[in-house]
Amino acid sequence: KNEVEQSPQNLTAQEGEFITINCSYSVGISALHWLQQHPGGGIVSLFMLSSGKKKHGRLIATINIQEKHSSLHITASHPRDSAVYICAVTVGNQFYFGTGTSLTVIP
Amino acid sequence: DVKVTQSSRYLVKRTGEKVFLECVQDMDHENMFWYRQDPGLGLRLIYFSYDVKMKEKGDIPEGYSVSREKKERFSLILESASTNQTSMYLCASLGPVFAEAFFGQGTRLTVV
Repeated sequence: KNEVEQSPQNLTAQEGEFITINCSYSVGISALHWLQQHPGGGIVSLFMLSSGKKKHGRLIATINIQEKHSSLHITASHPRDSAVYICAVTVGNQFYFGTGTSLTVIP
Repeated sequence: DVKVTQSSRYLVKRTGEKVFLECVQDMDHENMFWYRQDPGLGLRLIYFSYDVKMKEKGDIPEGYSVSREKKERFSLILESASTNQTSMYLCASLGPVFAEAFFGQGTRLTVV
């Protein structure tokens, strides 16, 4: 049983498309994190959310606490956005991770 | 403004060697974690620590030990490296309100 479920697992998009990655969780959380990992690279934290919505450049993250759901949107996608996006939640002093969404943006 | 630093990005070691992976954070966080990441298996927790000199086993502690002598440093030790420990190792820290979290850049370890 996974506490954190992500969809889709894999996503291919044309450059310029609007992209949505979804994350659902089944536990009470302190916060939700969206993480990015480029091929062969480490993990970078994109957003930390406990409510509402955050925006950074072309990236937007939203969370609905009642529905236990979060989305990561990428507007005007670019090939450099190609990476694995991981949803993680903090519950107490522990992390729970989704299995990641592998995004490929084609020029 | 690097917050979590892992000592090496890439490491190649021989079977049977003792290997130290170091992680340092500069945010005074109590909680620190070591994960390994393998294709198809995602991130799996090896050990975590919620205070100096405290440690707890995660899901896959076999073949590993840890040390936390100072708050800022959490070391992962492979007592006798084996080829099945070839992996990406990630360190993370979590702040006191369990919301502020940071990750290191990862150490890609190859055991030959």
